[in-house]
Amino acid sequence: DAGVIQSPRHEVTEMGQEVTLRCKPISGHDYLFWYRQTMMRGLELLIYFNNNVPIDDSGMPEDRFSAKMPNASFSTLKIQPSEPRDSAVYFCASSSPSGTYNEQFFGPGTRLTVL
Amino acid sequence: GESVGLHLPTLSVQEGDNSIINCAYSNSASDYFIWYKQESGKGPQFIIDIRSNMDKRQGQRVTVLLNKTVKHLSLQIAATQPGDSAVYFCAETSAAGNKLTFGGGTRVLVKP
Repeated sequence: DAGVIQSPRHEVTEMGQEVTLRCKPISGHDYLFWYRQTMMRGLELLIYFNNNVPIDDSGMPEDRFSAKMPNASFSTLKIQPSEPRDSAVYFCASSSPSGTYNEQFFGPGTRLTVL
Repeated sequence: GESVGLHLPTLSVQEGDNSIINCAYSNSASDYFIWYKQESGKGPQFIIDIRSNMDKRQGQRVTVLLNKTVKHLSLQIAATQPGDSAVYFCAETSAAGNKLTFGGGTRVLVKP
């Protein structure tokens, strides 16, 4: 299995530009999570999906952030317009229920730099 | 790589010694706890988990201890190796275990 795939691995953009991050979860996993990791706030959950439906987006910082999951094998996290404070590493993770609890498998992350 | 350069507590340990990493959690309703390891340039990787009805669980070279009374979790690594150098995060959840809350992390540096 290739694991969770994220693209791009690195993104450098200028303030005000639109940024789209992409994620392909592990095949068969029906939960997908988007996290952001920064020096100041550590690892934060932004949003998660179950069977392509957003379940909890309470971690999304503001309306500039949006996430979609059009099908079971693809999700996007979009920032429009981007700001320097959005600079962070963004991780996607997926999981499949196994009993009551489930292990989340993380992708390699996308390092976003907004100038 | 995707290392974040967090200003983290750091545990420096000699190769071959045992390591103990501590974590305090805040939500008394949490009933499932996980330790993750994050190497430089990579995403967090599952190490070991424990449910609230247990106080100890052992894996390969790792042991997790849970003290619900004081809401404390620890990860013990036996015979620490250079490959154990990483940032370690504890995470907690409740209910169905889908929404994890991560701790701030501890950086472990293994000296040869």
